[in-house]
Amino acid sequence: EAGVAQSPRYKIIEKRQSVAFWCNPISGHATLYWYQQILGQGPKLLIQFQNNGVVDDSQLPKDRFSAERLKGVDSTLKIQPAKLEDSAVYLCASSGITGRNQPQHFGDGTRLSIL
Amino acid sequence: QKEVEQDPGPLSVPEGAIVSLNCTYSNSAFQYFMWYRQYSRKGPELLMYTYSSGNKEDGRFTAQVDKSSKYISLFIRDSQPSDSATYLCAMSARAAGNKLTFGGGTRVLVKP
Repeated sequence: EAGVAQSPRYKIIEKRQSVAFWCNPISGHATLYWYQQILGQGPKLLIQFQNNGVVDDSQLPKDRFSAERLKGVDSTLKIQPAKLEDSAVYLCASSGITGRNQPQHFGDGTRLSIL
Repeated sequence: QKEVEQDPGPLSVPEGAIVSLNCTYSNSAFQYFMWYRQYSRKGPELLMYTYSSGNKEDGRFTAQVDKSSKYISLFIRDSQPSDSATYLCAMSARAAGNKLTFGGGTRVLVKP
C-alpha cells in the first residue's frame, strides 16, 4: 500500500512571498489532515477534511493560510503572505472514516524555511 | 499548561536496555491513545494504538494507559540503535472529531 505522498520536500522563500504544498493521501482514505510541526514541538492540527468538506479549521490562521481538497482526494495548503514564524514542517496525514476513529498515517512533510 | 505533557529528553540508554517513556494529560475526555516514532526528516510513524485503560503489547513494544491517573507509558525492550528517534504521544476524543493532540516528543538515543 502506497503511503501519503507530499511535495515538495523542501521550500525556501522570503517573507511576504506565497507558497503551496501538495498532498496525495492513501488510496481510499476519506479523511485528510494538515499539521504544522515547529522544531522541537509535536504536530499541531491546522485543518481536517472529510471527503471534500472541512470538519475542523479552528486553528488555521485564515488571514494567510488556505486549503482545499477538490474531488475528495488530493489537497493543497497555501500560505500567502508568509511570515518568519511560519518556518516549520507541514505534515499531511490521512485516515479512514473519522467516526470509526481510524489511526492517522503521515507523509514525510514539507520543510519550509522563511528568510 | 499544555493539554499533553512529555519530557523532551534526550533520553540516552545503552543498547539492550529498556526504554521507558511517558506522557501526562489533563483532558479526561481523551479515549484513544497513540505512540508515534519520528526519525529525523521523516513523518511520524504509528507504533501503538490503544483504547481506554489497560496494556497492549506488540513485539518489543508495550503501551500502558492509566486513565484514572491521566498517564500513559511506552516501554521498548531490548533497545537497538535503530530505535534512536523522537517518540510522540498523541491522544484523541470522539466528541472532538478524533482530533489528535500531541505531546512535544521525547528524543531517545540508544548507544551501541
